[in-house]
Amino acid sequence: GQQLNQSPQSMFIQEGEDVSMNCTSSSIFNTWLWYKQDPGEGPVLLIALYKAGELTSNGRLTAQFGITRKDSFLNISASIPSDVGIYFCAGQSSSNTGKLIFGQGTTLQVKP
Amino acid sequence: NAGVTQTPKFQVLKTGQSMTLQCAQDMNHNSMYWYRQDPGMGLRLIYYSASEGTTDKGEVPNGYNVSRLNKREFSLRLESAAPSQTSVYFCATWTGTDTQYFGPGTRLTVL
Repeated sequence: GQQLNQSPQSMFIQEGEDVSMNCTSSSIFNTWLWYKQDPGEGPVLLIALYKAGELTSNGRLTAQFGITRKDSFLNISASIPSDVGIYFCAGQSSSNTGKLIFGQGTTLQVKP
Repeated sequence: NAGVTQTPKFQVLKTGQSMTLQCAQDMNHNSMYWYRQDPGMGLRLIYYSASEGTTDKGEVPNGYNVSRLNKREFSLRLESAAPSQTSVYFCATWTGTDTQYFGPGTRLTVL
């Protein structure tokens, strides 16, 4: 079946540093989504990407839909302590069912 | 407007016991999903329901059954729990256009 490879698996950074994480797939996706999960909560959508090559920002977050439709990255600039959590990429290939394939997650820790 | 609610929040079962995880949404979305989350593996789809009255298997359906009771409610049943089903279970709904909205999760331990 379809698989997403997300890297890095974990990051421990200093407050103020920039962060970059990415996802790659062996299959093409029509939509890429980036979610954040806080401890004890469900994932919450950060950014949605709908077109190959699309670059979208949400505050300090920037994400891109790869031109091949098989990859995406997420950048966080000037990290702050509340950025701590698990970040997931997700790909959607069917617009009829809404089914998502998730990456393994990137655990981010920020040192004040 | 509660969004997606799940009950219970925590549950401990013994091997072989059965239980039903409940999910309800007040967003009038047609599609609902059940995922399990295990460390280092992201979220994996167990079952989904594209609309009231329909259900389909996801990536990891073995050991589970589901019921789409009505448009609001989608339940997940474990008939005979096994330690391998220890996980965090998330219910989600889909707007039909972009994102899925997730509930707060049920943390299940099977001894």
